[in-house]
Amino acid sequence: AQTVTQSQPEMSVQEAETVTLSCTYDTSESDYYLFWYKQPPSRQMILVIRQEAYKQQNATENRFSVNFQKAAKSFSLKISDSQLGDAAMYFCAYRSFFTQGGSEKLVFGKGTKLTVNP
Amino acid sequence: ETGVTQTPRHLVMGMTNKKSLKCEQHLGHNAMYWYKQSAKKPLELMFVYNFKEQTENNSVPSRFSPECPNSSHLFLHLHTLQPEDSALYLCASSQELRGVNYEQYFGPGTRLTVT
Repeated sequence: AQTVTQSQPEMSVQEAETVTLSCTYDTSESDYYLFWYKQPPSRQMILVIRQEAYKQQNATENRFSVNFQKAAKSFSLKISDSQLGDAAMYFCAYRSFFTQGGSEKLVFGKGTKLTVNP
Repeated sequence: ETGVTQTPRHLVMGMTNKKSLKCEQHLGHNAMYWYKQSAKKPLELMFVYNFKEQTENNSVPSRFSPECPNSSHLFLHLHTLQPEDSALYLCASSQELRGVNYEQYFGPGTRLTVT
């Protein structure tokens, strides 16, 4: 079974600075997706960025980028030029590339609470 | 409305009550999910429906009963719950295409408190 580990329960960053959130995972599969989701306080969980395991190029979305190290099974999220609105819980998630039996399963880490200081 | 909506947003119920959570997705997706989010624990997948068929039941107690009448609506019927069932219940949807799934879109959740 796949597992996802986020070793940093909490992180803080100064506004306009850069912060990196760590995520490691364990799987025996070769094809899969990795995601970072953001959950602001009392608000909806939204997708921040996704990475296909077969792609060597790291995904980027504006100020968000990932460092995907497939051999090391590491998938960290870098937030550049941090803004107050970036404060949230961040969840790393894993999903198999193909469905099995018609089902899909997202495996989540426990999350990292990011605080942005003005 | 757009996206994934859930009602009610907050629910307080006694252990002997029966209530239902509702989820509706307006994205044209064909798969829907129930997750449980407890404090300091990873999100736990409870149920998966693909094309209205239940394809996953993650060893969830029978006091939780899902219902998916069509691809846009998903319910979670609750009865005789325990205090440890208090949590945020999240609904999500995604589009499955020829065995390849895409990212899941989440609703805002229902904050459930069992007294």
